[in-house]
Amino acid sequence: TQLLEQSPQFLSIQEGENLTVYCNSSSVFSSLQWYRQEPGEGPVLLVTVVTGGEVKKLKRLTFQFGDARKDSSLHITAAQPGDTGLYLCAGVTYNTDKLIFGTGTRLQVFP
Amino acid sequence: SAVISQKPSRDICQRGTSLTIQCQVDSQVTMMFWYRQQPGQSLTLIATANQGSEATYESGFVIDKFPISRPNLTFSTLTVSNMSPEDSSIYLCSVRTSGNGEQFFGPGTRLTVL
Repeated sequence: TQLLEQSPQFLSIQEGENLTVYCNSSSVFSSLQWYRQEPGEGPVLLVTVVTGGEVKKLKRLTFQFGDARKDSSLHITAAQPGDTGLYLCAGVTYNTDKLIFGTGTRLQVFP
Repeated sequence: SAVISQKPSRDICQRGTSLTIQCQVDSQVTMMFWYRQQPGQSLTLIATANQGSEATYESGFVIDKFPISRPNLTFSTLTVSNMSPEDSSIYLCSVRTSGNGEQFFGPGTRLTVL
């Protein structure tokens, strides 16, 4: 059973557009992370959020953790071709202490 | 953070054979994990590699198929035994370095079974 559902599954946009990726679950997480993975490489950690309602910004990327600690979103402003990749949310649940990955969102940004 | 290397980076193997993947970390870490990523998919946790004791496997993964060693706090191996084409995947080593659950990943081993 997949605990973390991401939407959309695929996203293909033009350079300069904005986008939001959602990560939803029925489970409560002690922390939630976002990763980006490029072909032939392992996932690279972008951000960790630990407090319900927390918002973190990383240049053009804005991450939000839901108040109930069950969901998160990633918003990219003015997307660039370098943002292309597989975006993965991942959460650690209180009862298992294991990092479980979401279903993934594959983003393609065209110049 | 941690710097993680894996060997081999890729391999093509014949059905029925076994492959051992090595994971080396540049610092001592308590928690090490092995994940599988099937083509076009997300990551699935195989097991937690415990130093000095048997690995803890997730549902659907068994020790006979994926034996794991963890001889010290910087090194682990994962063996994929009696391989079949369904084992073709990327295998990733990961470590956790802090109490907030942050994990770092190696570059992965891309396995193709013919």
